[in-house]
Amino acid sequence: AQSVTQPDIHITVSEGASLELRCNYSYGATPYLFWYVQSPGQGLQLLLKYFSGDTLVQGIKGFEAEFKRSQSSFNLRKPSVHWSDAAEYFCAVGAGFGNEKLTFGTGTRLTIIP
Amino acid sequence: ETGVTQTPRHLVMGMTNKKSLKCEQHLGHNAMYWYKQSAKKPLELMFVYNFKEQTENNSVPSRFSPECPNSSHLFLHLHTLQPEDSALYLCASSQDKGLGYGYTFGSGTRLTVV
Repeated sequence: AQSVTQPDIHITVSEGASLELRCNYSYGATPYLFWYVQSPGQGLQLLLKYFSGDTLVQGIKGFEAEFKRSQSSFNLRKPSVHWSDAAEYFCAVGAGFGNEKLTFGTGTRLTIIP
Repeated sequence: ETGVTQTPRHLVMGMTNKKSLKCEQHLGHNAMYWYKQSAKKPLELMFVYNFKEQTENNSVPSRFSPECPNSSHLFLHLHTLQPEDSALYLCASSQDKGLGYGYTFGSGTRLTVV
């Protein structure tokens, strides 16, 4: 069964600084990987996804993520954060077509300080 | 607005009450999901429907009863709940059972059981 680990529960970053949120997954084959963002009181919004091909994927709001098979990681990055990026970020892994289950990590809360 | 609408946004109910959560999407998606989000825990998949047929029941207690009358509507009927059932209940939909397009989430219903 697939699983996801987000080792950082809470991260604080200064506005304008760079950001990297960590995600490690466990799955035997090539996984389907996702990053979602959740603002307070809201549902989850898809930031980006990886299925195959280029291991560096671009998403919305200036985010990108890199799939590293050797490290079983799919870390989310942004070169310069904005105060509006403060939210909870979830990494998720799926087994692929025919299996509709998405397994989510516990999330990383991002705080932005001026 | 994501295209997936959940009502009500907030619900407070006693342990002997019966209430229902509603989810509606007009994205043309065929699969719909209920997730439970509790504090400090990963999102828990509860139920999956594909073309109105339930394809997954993730060992959810019988006090939660889903209903999917058509591909656009999904309900979660609640009765004799426990305080530990207090959580954010999220509905999601997807193009099909596969993960090719990711999930679109609603904003959730914040349920408090007293």
